Amino acid sequence: AQSVTQLGSHVSVSEGALVLLRCNYSSSVPPYLFWYVQYPNQGLQLLLKYTTGATLVKGINGFEAEFKKSETSFHLTKPSAHMSDAAEYFCAVSDGNTGNQFYFGTGTSLTVIP
Amino acid sequence: GAVVSQHPSWVICKSGTSVKIECRSLDFQATTMFWYRQFPKQSLMLMATSNEGSKATYEQGVEKDKFLINHASLTLSTLTVTSAHPEDSSFYICSALGLAGVRSGANVLTFGAGSRLTVL
Repeated sequence: AQSVTQLGSHVSVSEGALVLLRCNYSSSVPPYLFWYVQYPNQGLQLLLKYTTGATLVKGINGFEAEFKKSETSFHLTKPSAHMSDAAEYFCAVSDGNTGNQFYFGTGTSLTVIP
Repeated sequence: GAVVSQHPSWVICKSGTSVKIECRSLDFQATTMFWYRQFPKQSLMLMATSNEGSKATYEQGVEKDKFLINHASLTLSTLTVTSAHPEDSSFYICSALGLAGVRSGANVLTFGAGSRLTVL
């Protein structure tokens, strides 16, 4: 079985500062890992994903995440926060063998302070 | 890229009426679709997994007679909230499972924009 833990339900950063959203996972099989973003009153949009290969993956809007197997982590980062990054971010894991079940973290609300 | 259309985006109804929400995969076939419920400032709560041509699998605690799910084709799943009551007011989101691409070989969830249900 898989599970996801997102540390910090709320994160605030100043505009231009580094964004770091934490995600740790638990999986008994090789995982596929995802970050989704949700803007108010909208559905979820895929930011980036890790399946196989390079452990540092780049996504849209300047975000990237690094898969660290030894730390069972998949933290999301962005070098410089923009006001438009304010949103809810969800980390998700799926079974790397079947890929048919997705497990979501509880989400992290990112606030960007001007 | 893959697109999932969800309709309506917002619906207001009287207590006791039934409301149908549609979820369509526009440019890919989705054998599996998921329905979620989301309360304000909370994560997604999986309600059911919908497979084309078969009965939906409901999560524990979700009333299947209350939330009717039909996955009639590879591109359409519907959620009907029957005899809606104010406590059913929520944001309902669907997602469809499709291949991310031949290279990755991984399934990716594509989400609809969500449907806000307000029951008066």
